[in-house]
Amino acid sequence: GDSVTQTEGLVTLTEGLPVMLNCTYQSTYSPFLFWYVQHLNEAPKLLLKSFTDNKRPEHQGFHATLHKSSSSFHLQKSSAQLSDSALYYCALSDRGGSNAKLTFGKGTKLSVKS
Amino acid sequence: GPKVLQIPSHQIIDMGQMVTLNCDPVSNHLYFYWYKQILGQQMEFLVNFYNGKVMEKSKLFKDQFSVERPDGSYFTLKIQPTALEDSAVYFCASSLDRGREQYFGPGTRLTVL
Repeated sequence: GDSVTQTEGLVTLTEGLPVMLNCTYQSTYSPFLFWYVQHLNEAPKLLLKSFTDNKRPEHQGFHATLHKSSSSFHLQKSSAQLSDSALYYCALSDRGGSNAKLTFGKGTKLSVKS
Repeated sequence: GPKVLQIPSHQIIDMGQMVTLNCDPVSNHLYFYWYKQILGQQMEFLVNFYNGKVMEKSKLFKDQFSVERPDGSYFTLKIQPTALEDSAVYFCASSLDRGREQYFGPGTRLTVL
C-alpha cells in the first residue's frame, strides 16, 4: 500500500538558517504529493502540491521538488522565520486509485528560535 | 481561502453514548473525507464520500461508524456506541475532485470517558 516517511520528528533551528524537511514515499501509481502545515489548534493548511517531475512549486518562500527517481518530495526554505514554527505533514494522493484519499506521514515539528 | 467548518470544536461524552460530528464543507466541493488523529500521532484516513455514497473506508472505520450528508446539509460522522479508543481529534476535509487538494476543518476533539 501507499506510505509516506518523514524521518525527523522534530527539527530545531535558528532564525535565518535554511530549512529542509525530508519526505519520501511509496506508491503503486504515480501520486500527487502535498505539504500541509498545521499551527497549534488550527486546521492543516495546504502549503505546496506537486506538479510534474522536476517542476518546483513555491509558496511563502517554501519550495519542494518531486523526484520520481528517488521517490522524494523534500520541503526547503532558504531562511527560516520564527513564524514558520509549526507541524509539517507530507502527504500523497494516489491518482491511479479510485478515490484519492490522502496518506499522511507522521509529521515533522519545526521549531525556529531567535 | 476556502473554509471548512466543524461543529462542535470539543465534545466530551460517556462511553456507550452516541455522538454526531458535523462538518460544513466548501460549498462547491463534491468529495468529503474524515480523518482521525490520536494525540501525538499522524492523521489517518477514515472514510470518503461522494454522490451520497461511501467510496472507500479504512479498517479504522468500524461498524459503529456511519456517515451521511442528507440533502446537501452537514456532512456528519456518527459513532454509536462510542468506545474509549474513539477519543481523538476528527478532521473533516473536502475537495473539488478526487486527487485535488483537500481543505481541512479545524477538527473536533472527542473525549470518551
